[in-house]
Amino acid sequence: SQQGEEDPQALSIQEGENATMNCSYKTSINNLQWYRQNSGRGLVHLILIRSNEREKHSGRLRVTLDTSKKSSSLLITASRAADTASYFCATLHFYGQNFVFGPGTRLSVLP
Amino acid sequence: DTEVTQTPKHLVMGMTNKKSLKCEQHMGHRAMYWYKQKAKKPPELMFVYSYEKLSINESVPSRFSPECPNSSLLNLHLHALQPEDSALYLCASSQVGEAIYFGEGSWLTVV
Repeated sequence: SQQGEEDPQALSIQEGENATMNCSYKTSINNLQWYRQNSGRGLVHLILIRSNEREKHSGRLRVTLDTSKKSSSLLITASRAADTASYFCATLHFYGQNFVFGPGTRLSVLP
Repeated sequence: DTEVTQTPKHLVMGMTNKKSLKCEQHMGHRAMYWYKQKAKKPPELMFVYSYEKLSINESVPSRFSPECPNSSLLNLHLHALQPEDSALYLCASSQVGEAIYFGEGSWLTVV
């Protein structure tokens, strides 16, 4: 069963704006990861955040994790047309090996 | 660029054919995965190999048969597939419990 649930399902913004995507999950996790997928391509790993971390940054990406609310958010600042893609969160249970993916957010950045 | 290599990129096969998908990684990862992805859906886990042993089989039909010849290689043998098996098949690898890295995928069409 899917653990991660992203919202919104689709998001359209103008170039230069910030994009925020959210992910919720149901049970305790070891870590949470965010991925990007361009149409018809493989998934690209963006950021891994562990259950004892609250925030991580990578370039224009900022990920937060709130284990009390069982939620995470991905912020993309100063978006570009090249950021147009689907974004997925994936969660890993403690003692698990199964990364469960949420349904994803389709981001469109308009020039 | 991904360090997980999948071949072939595209495969068309009849329902009576036998074919194989191949995956190779040279990152020293000890966990390898097969995921199946349908259009506009998240990846769904099929199999996990950990230290070259099958550790997770997500109730996948026997017409899909995984094989892990060594720590760098992962195969998916296909036999008597159905048209509904047409999808993007993604291979991935990771250190156990860490970020997973995907290949570009193999597009499979069953006719």
